[in-house]
Amino acid sequence: DTAVSQTPKYLVTQMGNDKSIKCEQNLGHDTMYWYKQDSKKFLKIMFSYNNKELIINETVPNRFSPKSPDKAHLNLHINSLELGDSAVYFCASSQGSGAPYEQYFGPGTRLTVT
Amino acid sequence: GNSVTQMEGPVTLSEEAFLTINCTYTATGYPSLFWYVQYPGEGLQLLLKATKADDKGSNKGFEATYRKETTSFHLEKGSVQVSDSAVYFCALRREGAQKLVFGQGTRLTINP
Repeated sequence: DTAVSQTPKYLVTQMGNDKSIKCEQNLGHDTMYWYKQDSKKFLKIMFSYNNKELIINETVPNRFSPKSPDKAHLNLHINSLELGDSAVYFCASSQGSGAPYEQYFGPGTRLTVT
Repeated sequence: GNSVTQMEGPVTLSEEAFLTINCTYTATGYPSLFWYVQYPGEGLQLLLKATKADDKGSNKGFEATYRKETTSFHLEKGSVQVSDSAVYFCALRREGAQKLVFGQGTRLTINP
């Protein structure tokens, strides 16, 4: 069974479009994250949700809007896509915060904006 | 602020060579330290971790020791295999914090 799954795996779209990436975890974790990995492999956190509440919101354009319908899902919606949004987006989850809980990562979604 | 610096890649070695990937960090207090590995086309997997000074994390023949005095967490393996080819990320999580702060990643290629 896949612990953290993301759909789609690949997403190619044009500038100006709106797209969503879905993430689901079946680990029973209560904290979920979105990370962005750029073309140089640099990985940086974007958002974190704990029990459906936004905990971390790094300096991310407000075109990016996370949505957590329940503890097991954290979707990422992106409006008015730009070329610079091209990257691999990773979802992750962990069993809470305040301790060195392991974060489990999904396989990533490669977004290409043309 | 908190940051992680890894040695520049790419690193290319022959099979059975000794591996060291350097990692140093800047953080207040006592962060937890992690090494993650990303195999081609896959997501990140936790390789090992250490939560306090002098702890040694180990897994799959890899080791790293949390050195508070040198603020380092270097990754080592005595004899690498072709299957170890991947990108390796050092990361820290500050006490009480949720987010991981990653280094820039080091691409490792092992030739047969």
